[in-house]
Amino acid sequence: EAGVAQSPRYKIIEKRQSVAFWCNPISGHATLYWYQQILGQGPKLLIQFQNNGVVDDSQLPKDRFSAERLKGVDSTLKIQPAKLEDSAVYLCASSPGPTGVQPQHFGDGTRLSIL
Amino acid sequence: AQSVTQLDSQVPVFEEAPVELRCNYSSSVSVYLFWYVQYPNQGLQLLLKYLSGSTLVKGINGFEAEFNKSQTSFHLRKPSVHISDTAEYFCAVKGTGGGNKLTFGTGTQLKVEL
Repeated sequence: EAGVAQSPRYKIIEKRQSVAFWCNPISGHATLYWYQQILGQGPKLLIQFQNNGVVDDSQLPKDRFSAERLKGVDSTLKIQPAKLEDSAVYLCASSPGPTGVQPQHFGDGTRLSIL
Repeated sequence: AQSVTQLDSQVPVFEEAPVELRCNYSSSVSVYLFWYVQYPNQGLQLLLKYLSGSTLVKGINGFEAEFNKSQTSFHLRKPSVHISDTAEYFCAVKGTGGGNKLTFGTGTQLKVEL
């Protein structure tokens, strides 16, 4: 089966600019996650979708970050305006459902550098 | 809420030697436990998981881990490592109830040397 697809792989922008990332999960996976992985740290969950509804966005900086999954398949994550501390790898993951018995499958991520 | 501590940020080891990567967790509820591997410029790949039952879990690439509830540990082991095992390894925990998120440790960089 095809894995989780993410684009772009790399992005360099200046602070205060905006940026968007795209994710296409594994076909049939109802649950989609966005993680932020800062250099030297483990991934941190930003937002979790179940189909096109938000399950958990408690760690999403809502003043600058937004995400959507309009048709319950693809998802986009946006940052506007970007800050220096947003430099990180943004990982998308998907699973068949939200329970812990179903492990998450990760994409290769988008590496964001803020100048 | 759950938390994970990976005690070693880096572990150097010679090829064909055994290795153990340590992971301790904290939780007030029952947990599921996972080990993921991340190769450079790639996403995370599941190595193995503990959900219930036997405390010794076998995964891909010859890795295994043992769940120790009394010590709240889930250490990862491999009897003989290869150069290709050089990567970052993450331990993760998730509460068994609904609404719990997957929480990762800070990772252990395994460097296998000739």
